[in-house]
Amino acid sequence: QVQLVESGGGAVQSGRSLRLSCETSGFRFASYGMYWVRQAPGKGLEWLAVIWDDGIDKYYADSVKGRFTISRDNSKNTLYLQMDGLGGEDTGVYYCARDFGQDTGIIDSWGQGALVAVSS
Amino acid sequence: SYVLTQSPSVSVAPGQTAVITCGAHNIVGKSVHWHQQKPGQAPILVIYYNSDRPSGIPERFSGSNSGNTATLTISRVEAGDEADYYCQVWDSTSDHAVFGGGTKLTVL
Repeated sequence: QVQLVESGGGAVQSGRSLRLSCETSGFRFASYGMYWVRQAPGKGLEWLAVIWDDGIDKYYADSVKGRFTISRDNSKNTLYLQMDGLGGEDTGVYYCARDFGQDTGIIDSWGQGALVAVSS
Repeated sequence: SYVLTQSPSVSVAPGQTAVITCGAHNIVGKSVHWHQQKPGQAPILVIYYNSDRPSGIPERFSGSNSGNTATLTISRVEAGDEADYYCQVWDSTSDHAVFGGGTKLTVL
């Protein structure tokens, strides 16, 4: 059974940094692309970043490019999102998600989310 | 950037058919996936590759993609289908995943 468990969320002041983690189990982590998606309060889903299974190819939404960094540790089955220069617009629930297979672009499994609240 | 357009809301009575659309220029050239998000919960995938259903998703959920519109159809709607539905594609031109704005399905 695929499990994705986010951690590291919380309250942070504007301008500070935060690192989210996503511990995974139930599948061969090293063979799957992984995503971060967020949802601002009362809003829709916003894709943030993807890292393909090779860990080399990474892509970012324009809204976070240069501020956020996605990474993975295949030895620990864990995905990360380093978030720097946080602002109020970054407040929301952050979801870790898995690709359907070999970098298909299909998000097929989701974690329960981690709440990030940025205050001024 | 590639933009997916969804109607904000759809309302149907129980037992009727709900049709949720996702529009974009020549969307038929892309594979469209649909995610369901119930209040207070994480999303789940309900349709992928335009019309395939993951295991555990009822046959009442179906999808299609033609021209400039992809469609999620929910037959014999139940109260438990009330949720927000998001279409999603992978835009290989920009190497970005893209979500539609979401459609809130209300079961009357």
